[in-house]
Amino acid sequence: DTGVSQDPRHKITKRGQNVTFRCDPISEHNRLYWYRQTLGQGPEFLTYFQNEAQLEKSRLLSDRFSAERPKGSFSTLEIQRTEQGDSAMYLCASSRTLDTQYFGPGTRLTVL
Amino acid sequence: QKEVEQNSGPLSVPEGAIASLNCTYSDRVSQSFFWYRQYSGKSPELIMSIYSNGDKEDGRFTAQLNKASQYVSLLIRDSQPSDSATYLCAVKWSYGGSQGNLIFGKGTKLSVKP
Repeated sequence: DTGVSQDPRHKITKRGQNVTFRCDPISEHNRLYWYRQTLGQGPEFLTYFQNEAQLEKSRLLSDRFSAERPKGSFSTLEIQRTEQGDSAMYLCASSRTLDTQYFGPGTRLTVL
Repeated sequence: QKEVEQNSGPLSVPEGAIASLNCTYSDRVSQSFFWYRQYSGKSPELIMSIYSNGDKEDGRFTAQLNKASQYVSLLIRDSQPSDSATYLCAVKWSYGGSQGNLIFGKGTKLSVKP
C-alpha cells in the first residue's frame, strides 16, 4: 500500500478562477470520498464514489463543484469560479467497501 | 440532523499522565466509531476504530463505547509530548441515504507538557 495521494498539495488562486484537484486512492479500494476542512472544524463530507459511480453528494457541494472518477481509479474535484469562502483543506479518503477510511495528505486551497 | 460533539479543549496533561477524550453523538442507529489524530497542518490519521459496546485496547490507546448513552471515549495512557495534536471523533451511519460517509466532531486539542 502506497497510501492515498493528492495533487497538488497547495494551490493559491484568484477569485473567479477554476481549480482542479486530483486524488489517487489506495489500490483496490473501491470507495473514494471527498471532504472539506476549515480551520477549527472537523472534516465535512462532500461526496463519494463507489467504483466510478458517484453515489452521494452533500448539500455543501454547490453547482460550482463537480467530481469525477472516470475509470474507478483516481478522482478529480473541480471548483469553478472560486470564491474566498472556498479556501479550505480538501481531503480525499478511500476505503474497501464500508471499511475504515484512510486519508490522503490533502490539498490546501487559498483563494485570494 | 446527525451531530457529533466534542469538547474543543485545549486539554492539557503532564507527560506520563492519562489523557481522556470524550465524544457524544446524536443518533442511536450509528454503526461505527473512529478516532483520528490530526497534527497541525496535516491530514487525519486513524488511531482506533470501535464497533461494539465495551473497551478496545491498542497499545497505549483504549477506546470505550457505550451505545445506550451515545458516548465514545479515547484514553491515552503514559501520554507523550508527541501525542500533542487534535483528536477527531468520527461516526459512520450506514442506512437510508447515507452510505458510509463519516460525520466528524470539531476535535479536541490535546497538549502534553514535558
